[in-house]
Amino acid sequence: EVQLVESGGGLVQPGRSMKLSCAASGFTFSNYGMAWVRQAPTKGLEWVATISYDGSSTYYRDSVKGRFTISRDNAKSTLYLQMNSLRSEDTATYYCTRRREPPDYWGQGVMVTVSS
Amino acid sequence: DVVMTQTPVSMSVSLGGQVSISCRSSQSLVHNNGNTYLSWYIQKPSQSPQLLIYKVSNRFSGISDRFSGSGSGTDFTLKISRVEPDDLGVYYCGQGTQYPYTFGAGTKLELK
Repeated sequence: EVQLVESGGGLVQPGRSMKLSCAASGFTFSNYGMAWVRQAPTKGLEWVATISYDGSSTYYRDSVKGRFTISRDNAKSTLYLQMNSLRSEDTATYYCTRRREPPDYWGQGVMVTVSS
Repeated sequence: DVVMTQTPVSMSVSLGGQVSISCRSSQSLVHNNGNTYLSWYIQKPSQSPQLLIYKVSNRFSGISDRFSGSGSGTDFTLKISRVEPDDLGVYYCGQGTQYPYTFGAGTKLELK
């Protein structure tokens, strides 16, 4: 059974950093591209970043480019999202998803609240 | 960015009925490789989104044949037949043809 379990969220002040993790199991992690998708409270879905199966290629939405970094450790079957210079508009539930296109399995999500 | 427009915003349906949800993109979703990367998702209350349909009309693993997708270019439709209680939630279309990947604003399916 495919499982994606996010962790690392919480309350953070504007301008500070936070790192999200996503532990994957039930499939060969190193064979799949992965992505982060977020959802602001009561809002729709917003793609954040994608990484290729081997980490050699990464893609970001403009609003997070230069602030967020997606990475992976295939030996640990874990996906990461390093978020720096956080803004209030980054407040959302962040979902880890499997596969570049389409995102076929989604984690339960982790809430990130950026507020002073 | 490709803008995805879903209609209606919400709709009411009777159990056992049929519904259609429209999704239009601001640009053609046909990729250079010939594939059209249009997907449909359902987000049930307090749950993560779940993939229903990918590449316009392909049902994901375990998805009932009551769900069907169609369309081409910029105009796509999700049809749900014989609606069941577990079908209620918010439906999203999404495109993966070009970055940034984008989603529609969602269609809320409620019971009449």
